[in-house]
Amino acid sequence: GENVEQHPSTLSVQEGDSAVIKCTYSDSASNYFPWYKQELGKGPQLIIDIRSNVGEKKDQRIAVTLNKTAKHFSLHITETQPEDSAVYFCAAHSNSGYALNFGKGTSLLVTP
Amino acid sequence: DGGITQSPKYLFRKEGQNVTLSCEQNLNHDAMYWYRQDPGQGLRLIYYSQIVNDFQKGDIAEGYSVSREKKESFPLTVTSAQKNPTAFYLCASSRDATGTGYGKLFFGSGTQLSVL
Repeated sequence: GENVEQHPSTLSVQEGDSAVIKCTYSDSASNYFPWYKQELGKGPQLIIDIRSNVGEKKDQRIAVTLNKTAKHFSLHITETQPEDSAVYFCAAHSNSGYALNFGKGTSLLVTP
Repeated sequence: DGGITQSPKYLFRKEGQNVTLSCEQNLNHDAMYWYRQDPGQGLRLIYYSQIVNDFQKGDIAEGYSVSREKKESFPLTVTSAQKNPTAFYLCASSRDATGTGYGKLFFGSGTQLSVL
């Protein structure tokens, strides 16, 4: 089955700096890659996603890039703010299954 | 407001007891999922259902059971056979139940289950 690796597990940045979280996947047939943000005690919320026919997607301060050849994708957050502090999960969908496979998460802390 | 409602928010289980976690959605989604979240382990799939009266095991189904008698509801029972049930349980739904199956997931707010 699909295996998704996520790094780093923790990330601390100063307010205003950029944050980058990276994920790799194993199944070359994977074609959908979402990112979720989870705040303490809450369920994850989708913040951005990308499909395999696109290399990059932006939404204000958030961007995701996909390298299908290398089988990795990354989340970029620019001009970070304290409210960006949360746990971020990447995920990948493989055509061999009907559910998403998640990475283990990155705990992002943005300090003022 | 449309969304997914999980209840209760906190649940305690005694040894040998079965407990049921509720999940209801009013998004008119076909597919529903249960994930288990442990610290540092990410989200692991327990069961999923693409349509009413049909469901499939995920990666860690042992010790759990589900039913899907209504489109809106997908309850999860943690049985006494699950020896390490303490975790945060997340229910999700997605619009798509086609062969692609990768509709965007919408999550509930979770249930924290602990063992007494």
